[in-house]
Amino acid sequence: QSVLTQPPSVSAAPGQKVTISCSGSSSNIGKNYVSWYQQLPGTAPKLLNHDNDNRPSGIPHRFSGSKSGTSATLGITGLQTGDEADYYCGTWDSSLSSWVFGGGTKLTVL
Amino acid sequence: QVQLQESGPGLVKPSETLSLTCTVSGDSISSYYWNWIRQPAGKGLEWIGRIYMSGITDYNPSLKSRVTMSLDTSKNQFSLKLSSVTAADTAVYYCARRISGRYDLDVWGQGTTVTVSS
Repeated sequence: QSVLTQPPSVSAAPGQKVTISCSGSSSNIGKNYVSWYQQLPGTAPKLLNHDNDNRPSGIPHRFSGSKSGTSATLGITGLQTGDEADYYCGTWDSSLSSWVFGGGTKLTVL
Repeated sequence: QVQLQESGPGLVKPSETLSLTCTVSGDSISSYYWNWIRQPAGKGLEWIGRIYMSGITDYNPSLKSRVTMSLDTSKNQFSLKLSSVTAADTAVYYCARRISGRYDLDVWGQGTTVTVSS
């Protein structure tokens, strides 16, 4: 059971928008910045978004993050088939003194 | 451009100690937090622990009794030891970097598969 809660799967058609939620608590999301990771099949996770809503160099503007209270959201617009991947949220949990991840969300682009 | 590369045995016997090394290239190992994360086949990511340049460590509470991390600044490497392994420790193991003051893992290694089996 993951400390952060994500939906197991989401789906949408090419060109559409999808959001992935990440729910936590006051000791993790409520206190610290959230980051998001994209894991394409057979590859290592890649940082997609950090400090709630900052994109590393090379990440398209189609990917955006937000945070409110103890929840965070990743939004992806203009969906492409190449976006099919597993997406994870993550942050530091100050009570556990431990990094925590969500269980991951599988995105299917229909 | 910083790169991380995991290395170590791909097969470990039950009850023995898993040992992995992450080699950092393109930057100094100083001034960062160095992390280990693992992922069993078909499952999510699990953080194992981290070590800072000072040698200070934090471990996942569920693994703490079996984990030891260390740094070798002369080789620009950091290492993971996981003792008393079982089949449940079979996973892809990743090393990753966290910049001090930030809350993300910005650079990851490609991962190495470790199987626990007799």
